[in-house]
Amino acid sequence: NAGVTQTPKFRVLKTGQSMTLLCAQDMNHEYMYWYRQDPGMGLRLIHYSVGEGTTAKGEVPDGYNVSRLKKQNFLLGLESAAPSQTSVYFCASSYPRPGTTVTDTQYFGPGTRLTVL
Amino acid sequence: SQQGEEDPQALSIQEGENATMNCSYKTSINNLQWYRQNSGRGLVHLILIRSNEREKHSGRLRVTLDTSKKSSSLLITASRAADTASYFCATAHSGAGSYQLTFGKGTKLSVIP
Repeated sequence: NAGVTQTPKFRVLKTGQSMTLLCAQDMNHEYMYWYRQDPGMGLRLIHYSVGEGTTAKGEVPDGYNVSRLKKQNFLLGLESAAPSQTSVYFCASSYPRPGTTVTDTQYFGPGTRLTVL
Repeated sequence: SQQGEEDPQALSIQEGENATMNCSYKTSINNLQWYRQNSGRGLVHLILIRSNEREKHSGRLRVTLDTSKKSSSLLITASRAADTASYFCATAHSGAGSYQLTFGKGTKLSVIP
C-alpha cells in the first residue's frame, strides 16, 4: 500500500497563477483533509471531506477550493496564488470511529512545499 | 484557533534520558492523539487516547490524560537520537466538529547523542 501520496512535491508560482494539488489514498478512507503548515503555527485545516462528493470549510479556507469526485482523491486548488499562500501543504485521510462520526487516526502524506513569488 | 497547546515549545536532553511533553486543551474532547514530525516530513501517528481512558502505553511511549484538568502528557523513556523531531498533540471533539482534529503548535525535541 502506498498510503497517502501527494503531487507535486515542490512548486514555485508567480502571484496570480493557479494550480491544483492532488492527494490520493489507497486505504478506502471516508475522510480526507487538507492542512497548511507555517513556521511556529502548527497545522491549520483548510478544507475537508467526509465522503465522495462532499466538502466543507476548515479554519483557513479563503483563497482555496477543493473537490472530491472520487473517494480516493482529494484536490486542492489555488485560483489566484498570493505570497501569503507560501507554505507546506499536507493531505491526510482517516476513518471514523465505528458507530460515530469522530475521526480516529489520521494518515498523512509527505507534503507539498509551495512558494509564491 | 488552535485547541491544544504544547509545553515546552522546545526541549533538549541527553540520549538515555526521559522526555516529557505536555498538552493542554480548552473544550471537551472525544479523543486526543500525539503525532511526530521529522524535519521536512509528514506527520506520523504515535498514539490515541480516548476520553474515558487515563493512561496508555506503546513501546517506550506513555500517554496520560486528565480530562478534569484538560491536559495530557507524552513521556518518551530512554530517549534515542532518532527521537529528535517535533511532537504535536491533536484533539477530536464530539458533536459538531467531530470530523476534525485540532493541532497544537508542537514541541521540538532534540536528543543529543
